[in-house]
Amino acid sequence: NAGVTQTPKFRVLKTGQSMTLLCAQDMNHEYMYWYRQDPGMGLRLIHYSVGEGTTAKGEVPDGYNVSRLKKQNFLLGLESAAPSQTSVYFCASTYGRGAGELFFGEGSRLTVL
Amino acid sequence: GQQLNQSPQSMFIQEGEDVSMNCTSSSIFNTWLWYKQDPGEGPVLLIALYKAGELTSNGRLTAQFGITRKDSFLNISASIPSDVGIYFCAGPNTLGRSGGGADGLTFGKGTHLIIQP
Repeated sequence: NAGVTQTPKFRVLKTGQSMTLLCAQDMNHEYMYWYRQDPGMGLRLIHYSVGEGTTAKGEVPDGYNVSRLKKQNFLLGLESAAPSQTSVYFCASTYGRGAGELFFGEGSRLTVL
Repeated sequence: GQQLNQSPQSMFIQEGEDVSMNCTSSSIFNTWLWYKQDPGEGPVLLIALYKAGELTSNGRLTAQFGITRKDSFLNISASIPSDVGIYFCAGPNTLGRSGGGADGLTFGKGTHLIIQP
């Protein structure tokens, strides 16, 4: 089973460029999440979705947009990349109610020059 | 906002030693979870705790849900080289609006475990 798949795995951008990270899950999960991981900061929630067509802001949403047009996909967009957005981005999903297990992708490493 | 404080930040131990780490919260949690992240991978759930005072084991790992509901502990017995990684504690994000556990998890900053052969 593929689980949670993130594309691309690596990307280098110049300041001001835009890009989209794609997260796809094949587990029919209802909830999906985008986190960023920075050295010494742990994992911080950017945006999340509790169902198709819904999105909500997490702890660090500024500079990012998201969309959940299909249940299995959750897109994270950077409209105008900044060096502060250099990070490793993780997508996660889970099946339903209750604070339980999140299934994570392998991560996408983004460098903004 | 919510804060989870993990300690220690890093541990350098000898193979075969026991490991202890803990996590404290600024707010009360009804769930505590412990994740492990291997290099180049996403975090994977190790143990989930749902009741104050609960003690749960998973092989050589044992975790406890503190009685105050503001802390949790993870112990690893007889460490082996594959235990190397980052260990995260996590609790429900109570700052979201959806409720019912849908608002994701808040993570601690992690404990780096390094094992010297």
